[in-house]
Amino acid sequence: SQWGEENLQALSIQEGEDVTMNCSYKTYTTVVHWYRQDSGRGPALIILIRSNEREKRSGRLRATLDTSSQSSSLSITAAQCEDTAVYFCATDTGYQNFYFGKGTSLTVIP
Amino acid sequence: EAAVTQSPRNKVAVTGGKVTLSCNQTNNHNNMYWYRQDTGHGLRLIHYSYGAGSTEKGDIPDGYKASRPSQENFSLILELATPSQTSVYFCASGGQGAPTEVFFGKGTRLTVV
Repeated sequence: SQWGEENLQALSIQEGEDVTMNCSYKTYTTVVHWYRQDSGRGPALIILIRSNEREKRSGRLRATLDTSSQSSSLSITAAQCEDTAVYFCATDTGYQNFYFGKGTSLTVIP
Repeated sequence: EAAVTQSPRNKVAVTGGKVTLSCNQTNNHNNMYWYRQDTGHGLRLIHYSYGAGSTEKGDIPDGYKASRPSQENFSLILELATPSQTSVYFCASGGQGAPTEVFFGKGTRLTVV
């Protein structure tokens, strides 16, 4: 597996708070993708960060990548109820084989 | 918009029976994937394909076969279904070149009794 052995994490925060989710990977990757999955649906890409980038922003989302520690993070600023979902990171080794982490279940409470 | 369609959306199968899950994409993507999702395990790659006629093993291929008869279609086959294969299965497609976005279908919930 590309990933560490952490179990699915669950976070619960109040609306308006900031939140950061982390993941680590074991092997070389050219890019880290972050997906969100809403209940009953397939995952959908929300942001990706290349191996030559340390930070990437998109709206209230901020992704970071540290290739030396093989870790990535996704931050959401001023979380809203509609941010409630499961968030996955995924690596792409360059051969279009996508390996997903176990995910973080985020609940934003109004 | 990129479209990946899975059928059936729900399936109940008997142990030892044959199950075929179908996936169709209209994105003209070369790459297609089958994942299963279980609580506590996230998404795990079963099989993938780089184009018509090709299939490759992912992380957990045992008990599964795949078939890619055309660019648009990718099937996952359980020849002898077992209760341990009860799960939600997702098909996805992605283009070539890095980075590339992967588009998922809505999933198939399979229950093997």
